[in-house]
Amino acid sequence: AQKITQTQPGMFVQEKEAVTLDCTYDTSDPSYGLFWYKQPSSGEMIFLIYQGSYDQQNATEGRYSLNFQKARKSANLVISASQLGDSAMYFCAMREDLSGGSNYKLTFGKGTLLTVNP
Amino acid sequence: DAGITQSPRHKVTETGTPVTLRCHQTENHRYMYWYRQDPGHGLRLIHYSYGVKDTDKGEVSDGYSVSRSKTEDFLLTLESATSSQTSVYFCAISSRTDSQETQYFGPGTRLLVL
Repeated sequence: AQKITQTQPGMFVQEKEAVTLDCTYDTSDPSYGLFWYKQPSSGEMIFLIYQGSYDQQNATEGRYSLNFQKARKSANLVISASQLGDSAMYFCAMREDLSGGSNYKLTFGKGTLLTVNP
Repeated sequence: DAGITQSPRHKVTETGTPVTLRCHQTENHRYMYWYRQDPGHGLRLIHYSYGVKDTDKGEVSDGYSVSRSKTEDFLLTLESATSSQTSVYFCAISSRTDSQETQYFGPGTRLLVL
């Protein structure tokens, strides 16, 4: 069963505008974590933001914020004031615990390709 | 970047040959991972390690083996490469603080199996 769903294969946004990238997840574990990564055309995976399931406030990191709606099982990434350098593939991921409790893997969605237009 | 390097960064090989990819980290992280990335997919876990000589399988482990004889090195071996193993391979480490946990990724290795 798909555990992370990114429904937008591609998104376009004008420079300086805000954009929201959607992510929904499915888990029965009360403790989980949600991540967003950016992958530019150069190929590296860049960590952007993390939200823990027990965090009371939505995570923010500079121009990135995570709109966490626990009851709806959504963890959307909001990028404010888009820049040309934000053009990239964006992946949502969820932590799944492995043996030992403190070890975990990430399960990824299929990604959203964001294009920022000048 | 959590001090993660991967070698080689690019490799072309032929079907049936063994291939070893190396992941090296400089910050003494306990947990290390190998993922592969294919078009239309995010990253999928191949194998992981929770300490020296302690490894286990991920969701796409068939045709792969790993070894970790030192904390800083995690090796991925394709025992007999096949065209379906053409992919981009990422190594990762886990880092956890009181407020945040993150997996940081290496730069990736592009492997082409002809």
